[in-house]
Amino acid sequence: GQQVMQIPQYQHVQEGEDFTTYCNSSTTLSNIQWYKQRPGGHPVFLIQLVKSGEVKKQKRLTFQFGEAKKNSSLHITATQTTDVGTYFCAGPYSGAGSYQLTFGKGTKLSVIP
Amino acid sequence: DTGVSQNPRHKITKRGQNVTFRCDPISEHNRLYWYRQTLGQGPEFLTYFQNEAQLEKSRLLSDRFSAERPKGSFSTLEIQRTEQGDSAMYLCASSSGDTQYFGPGTRLTVL
Repeated sequence: GQQVMQIPQYQHVQEGEDFTTYCNSSTTLSNIQWYKQRPGGHPVFLIQLVKSGEVKKQKRLTFQFGEAKKNSSLHITATQTTDVGTYFCAGPYSGAGSYQLTFGKGTKLSVIP
Repeated sequence: DTGVSQNPRHKITKRGQNVTFRCDPISEHNRLYWYRQTLGQGPEFLTYFQNEAQLEKSRLLSDRFSAERPKGSFSTLEIQRTEQGDSAMYLCASSSGDTQYFGPGTRLTVL
């Protein structure tokens, strides 16, 4: 079945350092979505990428969708303690007309003040 | 927009008991999803409704699990004869497009 893999599983950074998490799908995706889950919270939608090679920015966050639409990355510049949480990528199941999302295991970010 | 709400937020039950969770989606959203999340994992899809019709169901979903969305608004997820392996966070999400908005979840502990 479809698999979505994320690396690294954990990342500890000093406040002010940059952070990147990578996402790879076993199948081509029609779109990829990124979510953030704070400790004790629920996943919160960050962004959706649809086009091959697409790059989107949200303040200090930069999201990329690979040319083959099978991989994606999230880069945070100059991390802050508010960035703490687990970042998940998710892609729609490849079945026709499906709306279910397949999530990666996430990258848990810790920021040391 | 009051967001997706779920009740109860926490449920502790004994093995073998039945439990039911409720999800109230964002009012204008016609799609509703149930996911399960265990520690250190991403949400795992369980089932999906469009209006009142249950259109997709994970193959991983045991027949002890059943979900309904009788009037296309709120949904319930029932687990019969709970097992310790059912302990998890049960998340509901709703959408009108591709973006899914998650509720706070119901944390189930089976003793």
